[in-house]
Amino acid sequence: GESVGLHLPTLSVQEGDNSIINCAYSNSASDYFIWYKQESGKGPQFIIDIRSNMDKRQGQRVTVLLNKTVKHLSLQIAATQPGDSAVYFCAENMGGGNKLTFGTGTQLKVEL
Amino acid sequence: NAGVMQNPRHLVRRRGQEARLRCSPVKGHSHVYWYRQLPEEGLKFMVYLQKENIIDESGMPKERFSAEFPKEGPSILRIQQVVRGDSAAYFCASSPGGQIADTQYFGPGTRLTVL
Repeated sequence: GESVGLHLPTLSVQEGDNSIINCAYSNSASDYFIWYKQESGKGPQFIIDIRSNMDKRQGQRVTVLLNKTVKHLSLQIAATQPGDSAVYFCAENMGGGNKLTFGTGTQLKVEL
Repeated sequence: NAGVMQNPRHLVRRRGQEARLRCSPVKGHSHVYWYRQLPEEGLKFMVYLQKENIIDESGMPKERFSAEFPKEGPSILRIQQVVRGDSAAYFCASSPGGQIADTQYFGPGTRLTVL
């Protein structure tokens, strides 16, 4: 059922440390995954994506890891900065169309 | 290089009124998606449209909600006879194509408050 009004999981890190945000996805048939960053009052911003035929993809300061065996996705942010503070969502495309299914999100707080 | 535009950014309606939310996709994008977000939750898919066609409306409530993407002009999400439970942030996204790996770019959202 729906979870309404629950607080988001929160990850607090020190500025300069690495951050790891985890996500469990639901459908073993999903073949495309995306990480979005959402700052307060704004729309989701694309960070990085990965297809199911890969297990790792790197961008600028970010790395996404995909473990299809346990249906797990992670986002690693290197040298976390105050500007990285936001809610991070993973999303999956289950195929059969182009709609995305979003996870519940993780609040990242960067402490100075 | 404008991204996805949505207006209004904030909309207040009384119960029973109609709400019209507009979305202009990234220039050149012909695929539009609408999502709804309740506080502290992820986005929930509502509808996927191409110009003059509804491709997937599996996330749309059966009543009171409709969407269109005409040949000219923005995409419109229309909510008739709004109720308090419709209060949420509504986000529009667009993509250049309809392939699975075509990245969806999101607009800033419209925050609907029903009094």
